[in-house]
Amino acid sequence: GAVVSQHPSWVICKSGTSVKIECRSLDFQATTMFWYRQFPKQSLMLMATSNEGSKATYEQGVEKDKFLINHASLTLSTLTVTSAHPEDSSFYICSATFDTQYFGPGTRLTVL
Amino acid sequence: QKEVEQDPGPLSVPEGAIVSLNCTYSNSAFQYFMWYRQYSRKGPELLMYTYSSGNKEDGRFTAQVDKSSKYISLFIRDSQPSDSATYLCAPTRGGSNYKLTFGKGTLLTVNP
Repeated sequence: GAVVSQHPSWVICKSGTSVKIECRSLDFQATTMFWYRQFPKQSLMLMATSNEGSKATYEQGVEKDKFLINHASLTLSTLTVTSAHPEDSSFYICSATFDTQYFGPGTRLTVL
Repeated sequence: QKEVEQDPGPLSVPEGAIVSLNCTYSNSAFQYFMWYRQYSRKGPELLMYTYSSGNKEDGRFTAQVDKSSKYISLFIRDSQPSDSATYLCAPTRGGSNYKLTFGKGTLLTVNP
């Protein structure tokens, strides 16, 4: 149990385009989901906390207009990277809370 | 001072060795102490967690927390090549809806 999925697992896009990443809790309902970013050989950095039905809380230094988060239901949160640039290339990971945080497999974004 | 400090390694041991992984932290409000394992290009997987000070054992893994010295340890007995991964400590203030603060992670390689 406690499985979290992400889609897509890998995406390449051109600079200036927007990319949407989905995070789903498959077998439980999660009131809170978190979005992290991880650069190569670095640890996970929390980007934002997402609660179902309310606005996301962003960490300091994370542009809320660039990283749009929607938590429309207890099993789905989406992260949209708007006007993506090469420096946004990273590994994006979500987590969903049940008795603890369960992580998705991650989405690798490459912006050309 | 960073909230969580973890030696990134890398750490290389022979199969069967006892491995000790450690973190220190500065925030005395942390109450739950998580250990995650992350394989390359995958999301973190929860290994175990402890609440407050003390020891917790799960198979070959033992987590130890000393709140007086703000020191967290994970011991792996009879290490296996399949244990080769990055290990992340992640203390948190509260339950599952509280954000995690990750250490940098220690890259472990267990050689057959």
